[in-house]
Amino acid sequence: DAKTTQPNSMESNEEEPVHLPCNHSTISGTDYIHWYRQLPSQGPEYVIHGLTSNVNNRMASLAIAEDRKSSTLILHRATLRDAAVYYCILRDSSNTGKLIFGQGTTLQVKP
Amino acid sequence: GAVVSQHPSRVICKSGTSVKIECRSLDFQATTMFWYRQFPKQSLMLMATSNEGSKATYEQGVEKDKFLINHASLTLSTLTVTSAHPEDSSFYICSARDGTVNTEAFFGQGTRLTVV
Repeated sequence: DAKTTQPNSMESNEEEPVHLPCNHSTISGTDYIHWYRQLPSQGPEYVIHGLTSNVNNRMASLAIAEDRKSSTLILHRATLRDAAVYYCILRDSSNTGKLIFGQGTTLQVKP
Repeated sequence: GAVVSQHPSRVICKSGTSVKIECRSLDFQATTMFWYRQFPKQSLMLMATSNEGSKATYEQGVEKDKFLINHASLTLSTLTVTSAHPEDSSFYICSARDGTVNTEAFFGQGTRLTVV
């Protein structure tokens, strides 16, 4: 499975934008880039996913590098409720579609 | 968004007994479900992939006779931890998707298992 590399932790101030980076230099042409987040004692929650083009939804934006070897999750205005572990995952392009989680980035949001 | 429900959310059992955890997709048909385990301060570890009507595929190092998975319908998968021991205490999470590989996955809220 293609691997991703993320910083262990990041801090942000409330109401400021947050850019969470992810490196995936071994990505294959058919791998989708997925982002999930997990709040304490909860199951992960879907945030966003994309293939080649940048993507926006109500939660976040995903900026994908032209060579697809890296991507950035952008939270436009961090709130305290955005404090979580954020996982960048390459979706297995085989038929199973399983998600293999790395260590993720723990985001702290300061008031 | 789609909802995946796990039951129970917390369970305490005695060492040597078996525990069943249910995972249901409430508003879509889940052809594939995944079971994960998460120890404190660690990431999720995939245990197995189950497809409706067929045997589960277990990840390397996961004992299939200890962690029994049944996916008898398109909306229900169960994980049974047999002969549980304290080291099986963990947070168990299921995930489900519909037939499309590259849509988002939906996760249950997790089951906290404590074996005493």
